[in-house]
Amino acid sequence: GQQVMQIPQYQHVQEGEDFTTYCNSSTTLSNIQWYKQRPGGHPVFLIQLVKSGEVKKQKRLTFQFGEAKKNSSLHITATQTTDVGTYFCAQGDSWGKFQFGAGTQVVVTP
Amino acid sequence: DAGVTQSPTHLIKTRGQQVTLRCSPKSGHDTVSWYQQALGQGPQFIFQYYEEEERQRGNFPDRFSGHQFPNYSSELNVNALWLGDSALYLCASSLGKARQFFGPGTRLTVL
Repeated sequence: GQQVMQIPQYQHVQEGEDFTTYCNSSTTLSNIQWYKQRPGGHPVFLIQLVKSGEVKKQKRLTFQFGEAKKNSSLHITATQTTDVGTYFCAQGDSWGKFQFGAGTQVVVTP
Repeated sequence: DAGVTQSPTHLIKTRGQQVTLRCSPKSGHDTVSWYQQALGQGPQFIFQYYEEEERQRGNFPDRFSGHQFPNYSSELNVNALWLGDSALYLCASSLGKARQFFGPGTRLTVL
């Protein structure tokens, strides 16, 4: 079945820096969701993208869906220690079944 | 308004045993999905229940089975446990195909 690949697997960021994590698919995605999982916690929904080229912002987080709907990105500006965690993208089908990527683990150093 | 709850929080079993995990969905939600998350990996879809029926299933053997009750709560059963079943088991609820909310998970350790 369809799989979403996330890169990088691991991101070490200095506090205050920006970074971007990517989610790629070989096939067209109907939608993409992004989640954040803090260490020892459970995934928490951040956003859903549906339209080609869609861009959504949440404070310092910017989410983008590619024009061909085969990739997505999450960009975080001015990273803070509260951004620590693993960020997952997940692609959903028409029945609401979601396939998650392997995630990008983010470590922030002060 | 309670969110998604799961029980137990932690569980230790030995190989060959059977386990039942429980999930109560967020109030107003009618759909429950179960995921397995191994250490360092993303959640893997096990199956989804809607109207007390298994609507979709991921790539998991028949040892994994489930049930949804009339009050929308759900159980995940795993038979003949083996070491590889050790993982965090997550339940997620939603209203139909809308945004899903995850519970805190059950950490299962198989020795």
